[in-house]
Amino acid sequence: SQKIEQNSEALNIQEGKTATLTCNYTNYSPAYLQWYRQDPGRGPVFLLLIRENEKEKRKERLKVTFDTTLKQSLFHITASQPADSATYLCALDDPEGGSYIPTFGRGTSLIVHP
Amino acid sequence: KAGVTQTPRYLIKTRGQQVTLSCSPISGHRSVSWYQQTPGQGLQFLFEYFSETQRNKGNFPGRFSGRQFSNSRSEMNVSTLELGDSALYLCASSLEGQGEVYGYTFGSGTRLTVV
Repeated sequence: SQKIEQNSEALNIQEGKTATLTCNYTNYSPAYLQWYRQDPGRGPVFLLLIRENEKEKRKERLKVTFDTTLKQSLFHITASQPADSATYLCALDDPEGGSYIPTFGRGTSLIVHP
Repeated sequence: KAGVTQTPRYLIKTRGQQVTLSCSPISGHRSVSWYQQTPGQGLQFLFEYFSETQRNKGNFPGRFSGRQFSNSRSEMNVSTLELGDSALYLCASSLEGQGEVYGYTFGSGTRLTVV
């Protein structure tokens, strides 16, 4: 099965800077990769999806890249704000297992300081 | 439109008891998935239902079960509760075959504490 690695240490940055979060997977390339935001005690909220044949996807201040050679996705938040503080999860499907059900990483906590 | 509704929000149960959690998906969504989230294991997939049928199942013991009704509402049941079942239980809904395209919509979860 797919193993997903996200940095367990919190990322602390200053307001206005760009936050970059990493999602690494260890086995086969997924058909898609999704990013979610989760606030404490709440369910994850879908942010962006990138497919295996796409290199980059943007949405407002968010940008996701997907490098199937490195088996890595990077999630960027430009001009970060304290309101961006949350845990960010990546999720991948399991094409070799024949399942489209996403497997989630454990997430990285982002803390944006004013 | 209304989001995914999970009830109750909080539950405290005693070891050995059983519990039923409810999930109402977004109107029109027929696929409902359940996840267990703990600090140690993260989000773990329990099962997925579509049109009242279980389509996928995660690696959980048989004490965890679920069902889906004709109106797409879903329930999950945990019997003979153990302390390790304490977790945030999340429900996610999606249109058929669209979750991987448009993402999954999660409810706020039910926080279950087993004492």
